Amino acid sequence: EIVMTQSPATLSVSPGERATLSCWASQSVSSNLAWYQHKPGQAPRLLIYSASTRATGIPARFSGSGSGTEFTLTISSLQSEDFAVYYCQQYNYWYTFGQGTKLEIK
Amino acid sequence: QVQLVESGGGLVKPGGSLRLSCATSGFTFSDYYMTWIRQTPGKGLEWVSYISGNSRNIYYADSVKGRFTLSRDNAKNSVYLQMNSLRAEDTAVYYCARGGVVTLHYMDVWGKGTTVTVTS
Repeated sequence: EIVMTQSPATLSVSPGERATLSCWASQSVSSNLAWYQHKPGQAPRLLIYSASTRATGIPARFSGSGSGTEFTLTISSLQSEDFAVYYCQQYNYWYTFGQGTKLEIK
Repeated sequence: QVQLVESGGGLVKPGGSLRLSCATSGFTFSDYYMTWIRQTPGKGLEWVSYISGNSRNIYYADSVKGRFTLSRDNAKNSVYLQMNSLRAEDTAVYYCARGGVVTLHYMDVWGKGTTVTVTS
């Protein structure tokens, strides 16, 4: 099983600042990586797929990068609606998720 | 717009059964892979099972193989997860999600989930 590890577990950032979330894979997943945003009581929302492609309707302040085993999600200028839990997921070999990063207001 | 609505969750005793349903709308259902993902406090998000548009390809996570059965009814735009021999560790929020046309890959639309609690 490919293990996905996210860091940090919790990130405190002020609105308007940049947030950088990291995700590592235990073995190469090429660019077969997605990022999701999840708010309590809501459906998870696809943000990024193929490591760096924004999903339909996702604002340009969200960007993804990386390949192989190291990936990053960057939110360039945090808006109030961006505070949520973020998960990475690999789909190179079956499907596994990271444990999530909670992005909270500083 | 594309919508997925799960139902069927509830409280069940160990060894019991539940059938989850996912009703969809807003897209050509038969074209897409569909999947179930569950979220537990201890293990986070875990892929459970997926099914291809024509039901020819169905796969399960090892943790549910032999106990869960995934099916779909393209006439009703719905997918179903029959869960038997339930265990405490199956307690989770179960999400239905849409995959791709050719393969599952990432999940581009999710439902809000239905809660399954297995307890004596």
